[in-house]
Amino acid sequence: KQEVTQIPAALSVPEGENLVLNCSFTDSAIYNLQWFRQDPGKGLTSLLLIQSSQREQTSGRLNASLDKSSGRSTLYIAASQPGDSATYLCAVSTMNRDDKIIFGKGTRLHILP
Amino acid sequence: KAGVTQTPRYLIKTRGQQVTLSCSPISGHRSVSWYQQTPGQGLQFLFEYFSETQRNKGNFPGRFSGRQFSNSRSEMNVSTLELGDSALYLCASSLDRGDYNEQFFGPGTRLTVL
Repeated sequence: KQEVTQIPAALSVPEGENLVLNCSFTDSAIYNLQWFRQDPGKGLTSLLLIQSSQREQTSGRLNASLDKSSGRSTLYIAASQPGDSATYLCAVSTMNRDDKIIFGKGTRLHILP
Repeated sequence: KAGVTQTPRYLIKTRGQQVTLSCSPISGHRSVSWYQQTPGQGLQFLFEYFSETQRNKGNFPGRFSGRQFSNSRSEMNVSTLELGDSALYLCASSLDRGDYNEQFFGPGTRLTVL
């Protein structure tokens, strides 16, 4: 059964720093991996989606990579800002009919002004 | 283009009651998925509907059910509510073009069971 892990669970960094969030998954049989951000009490906002055949995707200050063979993805945030403070979740779209999409428990990011 | 909408946003019920939540997907999206989010378990997949048919189902008891209408709007029903059903219920829609299924989420319905 697919498991998705995000480490660390929480992270605080000073404004302006570059940072990396990690996501690992146990089964490489995935269609894609998606990164989301969630603000407290709100829904999820899609940041980036990487197809299983792709290695990375970029959007503005965000860059996500995917290494299917090792079961890892990273989300790189450049020049962090206080507005980046949120919980970041990764989710894999599995080939298992019963699971469909498995989420990690997220990394709670706090950018210090 | 309007995003995914969910109603109601907040709901308070008592144990044993039932509840119906509604989700309207982005125009043109035919796939609607439902998720339960709790602090302890995180986000868990409930089920997915596509063209009015349940296509996938997560590991939840039969008290959780859903349906999808011809306009792709979806409803989720929970019967015989338990305290543990208190959660944020999120729905997501996608275009579902083959294996490209980027999910777009609504704001969620916060359900509190007393």
